[in-house]
Amino acid sequence: EDQVTQSPEALRLQEGESSSLNCSYTVSGLRGLFWYRQDPGKGPEFLFTLYSAGEEKEKERLKATLTKKESFLHITAPKPEDSATYLCAVCNLNNNDMRFGAGTRLTVKP
Amino acid sequence: DVKVTQSSRYLVKRTGEKVFLECVQDMDHENMFWYRQDPGLGLRLIYFSYDVKMKEKGDIPEGYSVSREKKERFSLILESASTNQTSMYLCASRLGTNQETQYFGPGTRLLVL
Repeated sequence: EDQVTQSPEALRLQEGESSSLNCSYTVSGLRGLFWYRQDPGKGPEFLFTLYSAGEEKEKERLKATLTKKESFLHITAPKPEDSATYLCAVCNLNNNDMRFGAGTRLTVKP
Repeated sequence: DVKVTQSSRYLVKRTGEKVFLECVQDMDHENMFWYRQDPGLGLRLIYFSYDVKMKEKGDIPEGYSVSREKKERFSLILESASTNQTSMYLCASRLGTNQETQYFGPGTRLLVL
């Protein structure tokens, strides 16, 4: 069965303190790995899709990377408005099923 | 921009009531999904639909049913609400089976008393 594990569960950073969120996955065949951002009480907002090991994508202060077993979401010099829960998901190549991790709740203090 | 809307942001119902949650997307997407989200468990798939009048069970379909009479609309029905169905319900849509990215609605927070 496909599995996605995100760590840490929660992360508190000072404004400007760079860090990384981890997403470890097992999947029988990877069609794509997704990162979403979710603000409290709202639906997830799509950030990135990564398709193959070595691929990287960037958006403002966020950069996502992918290996064969895990993905990292690097946050450079975060700001308080980056505070949110970040969700990782994998899409199975064989059946197109999506499997989500439980998320990492990021808090950035000014 | 993809727009997915859900009929209610917050809903309070009593045990045993029939509950309808509605989702509408305006981008002519073929596939639509219903998830529930609980703390520490992530998103779990309840039902999905590849096309009009088609439905498939997800991981946790017990206690739920769905209806898709029109392409843009996907309804989740709780036939007899129970307290363990208190949760955040998220609808998502996807262009088609050959596309992976799902786009989510704002969610409905349901409380069953």
